[in-house]
Formats: sequence, structure tokens, C-alpha cells
Amino acid sequence: QQQVKQSPQSLIVQKGGISIINCAYENTAFDYFPWYQQFPGKGPALLIAIRPDVSEKKEGRFTISFNKSAKQFSLHIMDSQPGDSATYFCAASRDNAGNMLTFGGGTRLMVKP
Amino acid sequence: DTAVSQTPKYLVTQMGNDKSIKCEQNLGHDTMYWYKQDSKKFLKIMFSYNNKELIINETVPNRFSPKSPDKAHLNLHINSLELGDSAVYFCASSRRGAEQYFGPGTRLTVT
Repeated sequence: QQQVKQSPQSLIVQKGGISIINCAYENTAFDYFPWYQQFPGKGPALLIAIRPDVSEKKEGRFTISFNKSAKQFSLHIMDSQPGDSATYFCAASRDNAGNMLTFGGGTRLMVKP
Repeated sequence: DTAVSQTPKYLVTQMGNDKSIKCEQNLGHDTMYWYKQDSKKFLKIMFSYNNKELIINETVPNRFSPKSPDKAHLNLHINSLELGDSAVYFCASSRRGAEQYFGPGTRLTVT
């Protein structure tokens, strides 16, 4: 049973466009929702994270939108750049379960020049 | 000055062998983790460990065992390797309840 569902699996965006990746979760006990970026041959690196007490968080060109009632959250990448081309993972965890991350299936983003 | 390091980067071995992957973090974190990334890039938690408790994902076979000689190290030992164990294994660390930092990964190939 996949507790965090991510879509789309792949995404192609033109340079300067907006990249949008969506995730939905099932476990209402989750209380931490990070997004990770992974380049080929590298480990995942934290991009931005949110807790359910806020509906939006912005850091530079990256924004998380969070809808607690719908159990959904999304990543928006504004002014997408070729250097943003990578695989993006949403994740969720709950602190009282060892903070173990449950990951979505990943989205491979390609930003065309 | 690498934050989370793993050795080896690549590991090729035969079915039935026993192998270990080492992980070290110099961030002073109190919790360490092991994740498995399969050929479809799906990331799955295997273990969460600090000096007080070990939490095991129930789907992990008991051939896999984490061993922590000290707070900065969490090694992964795998007995009787199977073809399905081929994957990239990532170590991560964090302060309790905070963001996790991942190592560069170890690509394990079982032949």
C-alpha cells in the first residue's frame, strides 16, 4: 500500500515556465512533509519542507502548497531552469515513529532550454 | 568535510555472500537511517536508529541488520545476499524531528 502518491511521473517544462508536482497522502498522523531533489548518481537533498500548521511555504523559486483537509501537497518551481532538471520526491513522516520518511514515487523533471 | 559518507560507493558480489556497507556522519546528529532505492528509483525506509531505539520497517527481511559502533556510525550488514537485494542503499542522519541529510549512496549489485 503506497501511503504517499506522487504525480506526474515525468514532466517536461520550458525554461522560465512553472513546474508543478503533486502529492497525496493517506495517513493523517503524518506531521512533516519535505521535498527532496536528486541528481543522477547523487543522494537526495532537501529542498523545502512544511508542517501542517501552515498552508504555504516559499523559499526562493520553490513553493510548497499544503491542503490538510484534502491530504494533498504540491511543489511549485517558478522560473524553471535547465539546472532544475532532476528527480523530485515528496515525502511524509511522523515524529513519534522515528521520523522515518515515506516517499512518493518520484517525478523526473526536464527543463528544456 | 563531507557530512554523510558511505563506503564503498560500488559493491559487486555473488548470491549467498555476506557484505557490509559503512556509514559515517560528522554532523553531530543523534538519529541515523538506511533507505533502499530500487531500479525504478523508488525510495523505501529500512531502519531508523538512535542510541535509544531501533525502529525497523516490517517489510525488511531479517537478513538485514544495522550495527552502530558509536553515535556517528551506522553500518548495514546483509547476510545471504539475494538477486533482489540489488539496489542503491542510502544512509541519512538528522537531529530528532529535523531534516535528514543523505549520503551519496552505495550501489549494490548481486550476481
